[in-house]
Order: sequence, then structure tokens, then C-alpha cells
Amino acid sequence: EAGVTQFPSHSVIEKGQTVTLRCDPISGHDNLYWYRRVMGKEIKFLLHFVKESKQDESGMPNNRFLAERTGGTYSTLKVQPAELEDSGVYFCASSLLGYNEQFFGPGTRLTVL
Amino acid sequence: DQQVKQNSPSLSVQEGRISILNCDYTNSMFDYFLWYKKYPAEGPTFLISISSIKDKNEDGRFTVFLNKSAKHLSLHIVPSQPGDSAVYFCAAKADYKLSFGAGTTVTVRA
Repeated sequence: EAGVTQFPSHSVIEKGQTVTLRCDPISGHDNLYWYRRVMGKEIKFLLHFVKESKQDESGMPNNRFLAERTGGTYSTLKVQPAELEDSGVYFCASSLLGYNEQFFGPGTRLTVL
Repeated sequence: DQQVKQNSPSLSVQEGRISILNCDYTNSMFDYFLWYKKYPAEGPTFLISISSIKDKNEDGRFTVFLNKSAKHLSLHIVPSQPGDSAVYFCAAKADYKLSFGAGTTVTVRA
């Protein structure tokens, strides 16, 4: 069974540019989450989807971040325009409905210059 | 404010001995606790978990203990093996989202 996959693994962009990160959850997992780890600090929650609906986006830093989950399958996280402080590792996780264990992808390392 | 704290940034242990990792939390609404293991350039890998209604859960070499009154949990790894060298994150769940500690880097010496 394939795990959570994320693309790209690395992205280096200049301040002011746009970047889109993609996450493919484990097949059958209706819950999908985005997290971020900045500067080696703790991993922080960004938002949570159940199928295609946003359930909680309380962790999104500001309106430069836009997450979507079309058809309840894969999800994208767009940063537009990117700022220096957006640099970090963005993790996606998924879980089955009613289950507590979240399974993480390998992350996308974003560097904004 | 950080609701989950791992006060020891690093731990060095000899192969075959016990590793004990500690975690403290402040939010009484947390209802589930998890430990994740992370290797460099990889995502966190789920290790073991415990519900807030239990005080112990064991899975092979890994045991998690929960002391609700003290808002404290710990992970015991015995015996420690070289492949256990990694960063370990404590996480606590409330309303689906996980709050993480800053992690403890474990080094297992031969």
C-alpha cells in the first residue's frame, strides 16, 4: 500500500513568486492535514480537510496561503506571493475517518530567497 | 504558546539499554497522544499511541506511559538498538489536529 506522497520534494523560489505544493493521501483516507515546520522548530498544524471540505484552517498563517482538495482526493497548497518567512518543510498527513493515527508524507522543503 | 513540551533536546544511550523520552502538556482537552520517529529528510513515522483513558500501551520494544494528573507522558524503548537513532516527537490530539513537541534527538551508541 502506497503511503502519503508529496511533490515536489524541494522547491527554491524567489520572494514574490508563487509555489504550489501537492499531496496525495493514502487511498481511502478521507482526512487530510497540512502541517509546517519552520527553522527546526516544532511541527505546526495548518489545516484539515474531510473529503473536499475544509474543517479547520485555524493554523493558516495568512491569506497568502490557499489550500484546496478537489474531489476529495489529492490536495494542493499554494503560497502567493511567497515571503522569506514561508521557508520551511511542509508536511501532509492523512487518516481514516474515526481514527486518531495520522500518517505523514516525506514533506516538501520550501526555500524562499 | 507551546502546549506540548519535550524538555530534553537530546538523549544518548548505549545499545541494549533503555531509552526514556519525556513529554509534558498543558491542554486538558487533549484526548489522544502519539509518538513519532523521524529520520533526516523523511516525514514523521507513527510509532505508538495512547488514549487519554488509559495509562499504558505496549508494542514490542516500545511502551508509552500516561500520567494524566501530572499531564506527563513518556516513551520507553528497551532494548535500544542502533536503528533507533532518530528524532522522536511527542504529539497530542484535540479536535483532529495534532500539537507537537520540539523533538528529542536520540543517539544509540554501540
